[in-house]
Amino acid sequence: QKEVEQNSGPLSVPEGAIASLNCTYSDRGSQSFFWYRQYSGKSPELIMSIYSNGDKEDGRFTAQLNKASQYVSLLIRDSQPSDSATYLCAVMGSYIPTFGRGTSLIVHP
Amino acid sequence: NAGVTQTPKFQVLKTGQSMTLQCAQDMNHNSMYWYRQDPGMGLRLIYYSASEGTTDKGEVPNGYNVSRLNKREFSLRLESAAPSQTSVYFCASMQGQGNYEQYFGPGTRLTVT
Repeated sequence: QKEVEQNSGPLSVPEGAIASLNCTYSDRGSQSFFWYRQYSGKSPELIMSIYSNGDKEDGRFTAQLNKASQYVSLLIRDSQPSDSATYLCAVMGSYIPTFGRGTSLIVHP
Repeated sequence: NAGVTQTPKFQVLKTGQSMTLQCAQDMNHNSMYWYRQDPGMGLRLIYYSASEGTTDKGEVPNGYNVSRLNKREFSLRLESAAPSQTSVYFCASMQGQGNYEQYFGPGTRLTVT
């Protein structure tokens, strides 16, 4: 059984701070990793994908991947109240994704 | 581009009734998926279709059937609804063939009484 683990939170950060969200996975053969944002009552929205070890930056978002440690993280710089949502980590096997249960992020003014 | 569309948005069923949830995508994606999301349980895969003409069971297929009608459409059928099937259902699509980014529909909120 492939597993993806995330701290459920909530993670509370002040506006303007860096939010750090973490995810570990069990399948060492996994090659594709994704972060989705889900607002309450809405569907998941893809915000980052990462395939290689290291960092990938897109605007205020940075995804970090360490395959040796089986660890993926998402950093959100200059956090805004509009970033308050649940963040889902997903790991793709052969056409079959496994999602973590998500981390709730609260950005307070 | 509408992306991934789902109908209906909301549905209330009585135990034992049947219904079909519809999903369509206009991104020419090869793969399509059905998930359910329950509080505290995250997204759980019900069925998926890696390509037109194929369907496979996911983590929680019992009580459901699917049809990949064509490349655009993938439906989910509940033959005899049970209260345990009360959930939010999401359809998603993915290009595949090296591109594994999934795009989700808006969801169907189903209540079975």
